[in-house]
Order: sequence, then structure tokens, then C-alpha cells
Amino acid sequence: GQQLNQSPQSMFIQEGEDVSMNCTSSSIFNTWLWYKQEPGEGPVLLIALYKAGELTSNGRLTAQFGITRKDSFLNISASIPSDVGIYFCAGRGGTGKLIFGQGTTLQVKP
Amino acid sequence: DAGVIQSPRHEVTEMGQEVTLRCKPISGHNSLFWYRQTMMRGLELLIYFNNNVPIDDSGMPEDRFSAKMPNASFSTLKIQPSEPRDSAVYFCASGLQGIGNTIYFGEGSWLTVV
Repeated sequence: GQQLNQSPQSMFIQEGEDVSMNCTSSSIFNTWLWYKQEPGEGPVLLIALYKAGELTSNGRLTAQFGITRKDSFLNISASIPSDVGIYFCAGRGGTGKLIFGQGTTLQVKP
Repeated sequence: DAGVIQSPRHEVTEMGQEVTLRCKPISGHNSLFWYRQTMMRGLELLIYFNNNVPIDDSGMPEDRFSAKMPNASFSTLKIQPSEPRDSAVYFCASGLQGIGNTIYFGEGSWLTVV
């Protein structure tokens, strides 16, 4: 079945540093979504990408939909302590099915 | 606007008991998803519906699990009989079918089977 490989699995960085994480798939997706999940909460949508090659920003977050439609990355610039959480990529195919990567756990040291 | 509403938020039940989790999607959405999240397996898609019709239930673990969507504003996920390995957080999510549409999550139902 479809699988998303997300990396890195975890990151421990200093406040102010930039962060980069990515997802790859063996399948083509029509939509890439990036979510953040904090303890005790459901995933919250950060950025949605709908076209191959699309580059979208949301504040300090930037994400791109890979040109092959099989990958995406998320960058966070100038990290702050409240960026702590688990970040998930998710791909949606033509049938509407949405599957998730394994998540990247981000810890930020003040 | 109300988001995806799930109930109960927390449930502790004994092995063998029936568990019913409920979801009210965002009004107007026509796709609904049930996910299970555990430390070991991450976010697993159990089943999803388009226009109240189950499209893909290949993620449903076994016959003890069943899901229904009798109308556009309500869905249930039932486990009967429940087992300790079913302990997890169960998320419901909804969205609009088709390209260019995103999916929004509820806050989850935290299930513990003892």
C-alpha cells in the first residue's frame, strides 16, 4: 500500500535555528498537507499544497510540493520554544484517501 | 464555526466491553476519516467515507471494528468486544472531497481498555 517516509524522526535544536524536514513517497499525490500536533490535541493544519512545484509560506513556515508529486518539505525559520511538537506530513491521492508520515518530533532548547 | 466534534474525549473500559466512539464532522463536509494513533504505529487510517459511503476500510484491524455513517452529520466507530491492544487515541477528521481541499481533525477520543 501507499507509504510516506518522513525524516528526520526527531530533532533537538537551539532556539533561533532553522529546521527542515521532508517526506517522500513511492506514490504520486494530488495534495500535500503539513500538520502539527501538541500533547493531548489533534493534528492542526499548518500548510496545504495543491500543485506540483508550489511553494507556500505561513509566517515562519515554508513548504514545497515536489515537482515529481512524490515529495514535500517543510522549513521552519528562526525556531522558538512554542514550535515544539510533532510535525506530520500527509498525502492525499485521487480517491481522497489521506495517509500520514511517521512524524518528526521537534524539541527546541531556549 | 464548530470544528470536528468527537465524544467521548476519554473512556476507560474493561476488556470485552463494547466501545462506541462518535463524531460530528464540520457542517458541509462530505468526506469523513477515522484514524487511530499509537506510539508504535503512528497515525493509521482505519476507514474513510465520501458522501456517507465507505470508500476504503482496508485499515480496519479486524471484524471487532465497525464504522457507520448514517447521515452527513454523524459517524460512529464501534469496537466489540474491546481488547487491551485497542487502547489508543482515535481521531475523526472531515473535509471536502476532491483536489484542493484540506482535512480537519477533532481533538480525539482517548481509549483505555483494561
